Amino acid sequence: NFMLTQPHSVSESPEKTVTISCTGSSGSIASNYVQWYQQRPGSAPSTVIYEDNQRPSGVPDRFSGSIDSSSNSASLTISGLKTEDEADYYCQSYDSSNNYVFGTGTKVTVL
Amino acid sequence: QLQLQESGPGLVKSSETLSLTCTVSGGSISSSSYYWGWIRQPPGKGLEWIGTIYYSGATYFNPSLMSRVTISVDTSKNQFSLKLSSVTAADTAVYYCARHNILRGFDPWGQGTLVTVSS
Repeated sequence: NFMLTQPHSVSESPEKTVTISCTGSSGSIASNYVQWYQQRPGSAPSTVIYEDNQRPSGVPDRFSGSIDSSSNSASLTISGLKTEDEADYYCQSYDSSNNYVFGTGTKVTVL
Repeated sequence: QLQLQESGPGLVKSSETLSLTCTVSGGSISSSSYYWGWIRQPPGKGLEWIGTIYYSGATYFNPSLMSRVTISVDTSKNQFSLKLSSVTAADTAVYYCARHNILRGFDPWGQGTLVTVSS
């Protein structure tokens, strides 16, 4: 079964940069698009990155996405960290069998 | 602006069938560009995709749940529905519906509804 693994948590001070990894268990993560969702406590998830590195309108350019084929990983980078960025973040992709998978989730704490 | 709203019982007895409906407003469920999906999140845990339907009725399911899941669509009411049979405590979760673009993911999402399975 295709799985996406993320670090359980990351923390950093305001104005710093954090990067969250999302590692695929099989196949090439570069073969299918990766999305990233932000979920604040008590709220539904919302998209911060789609199609690997595209930002929806309204999402600050402090959020960026990338793919590293050598490590079979996707990454979400948040620069200029703000207290409002404190949330859970999930990556999401799919496999050739139309199986849609979410990553294990990462809690971002702003110190 | 497209909005989705889940509705259904918040409490279901163990071994019975969970039934939820998602009502879509501000857009047509018959759009050829989009599918419609169900996702759940057990308390304090991560997101799990349950299944996806196209307005034509074509469906895709999570292999781990497909033996218990039915998803249907009612284009006349702009709604799609989820049925999960033989529920146990492990099915207690917040259930979300969302518009599903196969390449771009799930967006927007409904606010979610908590379903508790009681013994």
